[in-house]
Amino acid sequence: KNQVEQSPQSLIILEGKNCTLQCNYTVSPFSNLRWYKQDTGRGPVSLTIMTFSENTKSNGRYTATLDADTKQSSLHITASQLSDSASYICVVSALLAAGGGNKLTFGTGTQLKVEL
Amino acid sequence: IAGITQAPTSQILAAGRRMTLRCTQDMRHNAMYWYRQDLGLGLRLIHYSNTAGTTGKGEVPDGYSVSRANTDDFPLTLASAVPSQTSVYFCASSDSEQGYGYTFGSGTRLTVV
Repeated sequence: KNQVEQSPQSLIILEGKNCTLQCNYTVSPFSNLRWYKQDTGRGPVSLTIMTFSENTKSNGRYTATLDADTKQSSLHITASQLSDSASYICVVSALLAAGGGNKLTFGTGTQLKVEL
Repeated sequence: IAGITQAPTSQILAAGRRMTLRCTQDMRHNAMYWYRQDLGLGLRLIHYSNTAGTTGKGEVPDGYSVSRANTDDFPLTLASAVPSQTSVYFCASSDSEQGYGYTFGSGTRLTVV
């Protein structure tokens, strides 16, 4: 069964500090891995998307890594800001048969709170 | 502004009533999806449509139906709501088979009492 597990479940850090969120997955056949940011009461917004051949991708202060061999990914947030407070969701896509589209498996998210 | 519009934003519904959640996108994406998000669980796929005129069942389709008469609209209908359908519902769309350009709406918070 395809699964995506994230850790920690929740995290509180001080503004300006860095943090790293983890994602382990058992999804096949692997197509791509995405990280989303979901603010309270809003829909998820894409931060990064990585295919099998990519092992790092940055989007401003967000840097995602992917190790396809160990099926692990991380999201590193640098110099955190109050506006980074949100849920961060790891999503792994499995490519279905031709014309079948893709199947996304969602993690339950890491709830990050950035405090003064 | 390009994106996905969901309506209503929130709704309280009596059990047994029929309800249609609306979803409209203006990005001309071929594929559209409905998810539900419940506390402690990842988003779960209810129904999807790879292109106008076709629909398919996702992970949790029971009690829900969809239609895709055109590219832009993808309504989700609860024929007879039950309390277990209390959830936040997200519509999404994507522009390729691999799901690149995946965009979510802002969600509909539904409470069935």
